[in-house]
Formats: sequence, structure tokens, C-alpha cells
Amino acid sequence: QQPVQSPQAVILREGEDAVINCSSSKALYSVHWYRQKHGEAPVFLMILLKGGEQKGHEKISASFNEKKQQSSLYLTASQLSYSGTYFCGTEGLDSSYKLIFGSGTRLLVRP
Amino acid sequence: DVKVTQSSRYLVKRTGEKVFLECVQDMDHENMFWYRQDPGLGLRLIYFSYDVKMKEKGDIPEGYSVSREKKERFSLILESASTNQTSMYLCASTTGRSEQYFGPGTRLTVT
Repeated sequence: QQPVQSPQAVILREGEDAVINCSSSKALYSVHWYRQKHGEAPVFLMILLKGGEQKGHEKISASFNEKKQQSSLYLTASQLSYSGTYFCGTEGLDSSYKLIFGSGTRLLVRP
Repeated sequence: DVKVTQSSRYLVKRTGEKVFLECVQDMDHENMFWYRQDPGLGLRLIYFSYDVKMKEKGDIPEGYSVSREKKERFSLILESASTNQTSMYLCASTTGRSEQYFGPGTRLTVT
């Protein structure tokens, strides 16, 4: 089952914060986050492997709640370069290597 | 610098033609994937391969087949192209259960 991402789209002013959520109906081994800019390939942001563990870089971080089978991506003090479509990819406990991606969240950061 | 390349950025084929999409990675990754990307649907897994000559069906394998004769090369084959296979096709590779590296994509139009 495809994970559900919310919101589907969000518009921010530069410097504002945003949260993107990813929810699965299956027990998860890991959650991946990718960003895709228009006309380009998706680029890896981070992997969440343990419940409650946050991993990130710069002003983008994420959390993973194993019990709720949910992950959230936090974009703090957004920059123009954050614009793009964000995808979560979930890996089930029984599906090595195989990711199921959500339908994406379109983020636009305006000056 | 890691690299996943795809044989064509744009391809136009006629209904009923046999279509080959090729993907090559230079990172010695054992796992390779083919996805199709359609607006509002995210990335959907067609097939993946975890070793040479090994393949597994993804979520939407109907109408497609794959070939992996060498570790670095993974081909997607549309036996008889149909208009509903018009889409963006993305190849990816990874080692173990880590981040996936994506190619630039092939936009296929079937007329």
C-alpha cells in the first residue's frame, strides 16, 4: 500500500517552516526522504531507521515513529532552494530493498 | 562521483513497437530498480533486481519485462508499447538497504 503524504502542496515565504507527513498502513523497517526539482532526478535527503530517531542536515530534519508507522520531514527557515517535490519511500519489514513511494508533496518557497 | 545513466532522455514510439530502455550504473551496486512516474501518483515500482539474472516484480509489472545480464546494466522492455505506457521512467540503484541513486529519467511517449 502506497504511503499517504500530507499536505499535497504547500507554499511558503522564505524563512518560514514546514512539516511534511508520511503515513503507512504497514509496519516499517525504514523511511527514506527524497527531493525532486522540476525536470531533474529525485535526490536522497535522509533515511530513518529507528523509532524516534531523528537524522538530518542543515535545516532539514526528520523523525520516525515506528508505533504509528509515520514519519515527518521538518524544513526550518526555508530557503528558495528548498522548492521541489518531496517524496517519502517506505520499506516494510518483509520487503528488503524495495521502497514504496508516496505521491509526493509539492513545496514552493517564495521570496 | 556516483553515476546512473539512462540511454535516452526523450523517446517517441508507436503503439505496438518493442521498446528498450537501458540503465547503467558505475557504483558496483547489486540492487537496481525501474520506476514509472506519473503526475499525482508518485514513483511506482515496475521491477527490481538484486543480482545479475535475478529479478522481482514490483507493484505494476504488467506489460513490462526486464533483463540484467551484467551487474552494471538493467534494461526495461516494453514488449508491445501502448499509449497508457506514456510516462517518465526512472532507473535507480543502491547497495544494501541504503539510499537510492536515480538516473535522469526517460520521458517516453507512445503514439
